[in-house]
Amino acid sequence: AQKVTQAQTEISVVEKEDVTLDCVYETRDTTYYLFWYKQPPSGELVFLIRRNSFDEQNEISGRYSWNFQKSTSSFNFTITASQVVDSAVYFCALSEPGGGSSNTGKLIFGQGTTLQVKP
Amino acid sequence: NAGVMQNPRHLVRRRGQEARLRCSPMKGHSHVYWYRQLPEEGLKFMVYLQKENIIDESGMPKERFSAEFPKEGPSILRIQQVVRGDSAAYFCASSPRDVSSYNSPLHFGNGTRLTVT
Repeated sequence: AQKVTQAQTEISVVEKEDVTLDCVYETRDTTYYLFWYKQPPSGELVFLIRRNSFDEQNEISGRYSWNFQKSTSSFNFTITASQVVDSAVYFCALSEPGGGSSNTGKLIFGQGTTLQVKP
Repeated sequence: NAGVMQNPRHLVRRRGQEARLRCSPMKGHSHVYWYRQLPEEGLKFMVYLQKENIIDESGMPKERFSAEFPKEGPSILRIQQVVRGDSAAYFCASSPRDVSSYNSPLHFGNGTRLTVT
């Protein structure tokens, strides 16, 4: 069965520190997608990134970077030089693939990591 | 380019009443997903619909919950005879086609926060 584990429930850092949010997943499928979403205090879900299982290149977008390692089934997210506006709950998610009529594409979410960035 | 629209943003119901949550997908999207977020938890899949069809309702509670996505109009998640345990944030997401085609991520609405008193 597919599963996503975000072991860090809460992380607190001081502004300008770097912080890494861990995500470990389980799946028996060879084709899958991984996602990160941000949920700020206002409650909406903001899409950050999607990565397919065949692309292990790390990705950088501004202060955000993602490290995908299939060997350890991890898809970690690093924020460099954190800012107060980064304070939010961050969710890692795995797409549930399938084939033919069983395709649904639904996402399996981790429990989330609450990041607090203090000034 | 309106995003996924959910209303109401907040809904308060007394135990035993009905709750109706609405979701208008992004323009051109014909696939809708409903997720529930209980307090302090991650999101859990409830149901996946295409226009006029329920494709996967494996995450829906067996009783009191129903969903529809008619040919015209928004998708509706309906909870009958609400109980306190139904208090949660309900998120709707849409995609232009089956997400398993991996052409785009799910786009989520801002959610409806249901409080049952």
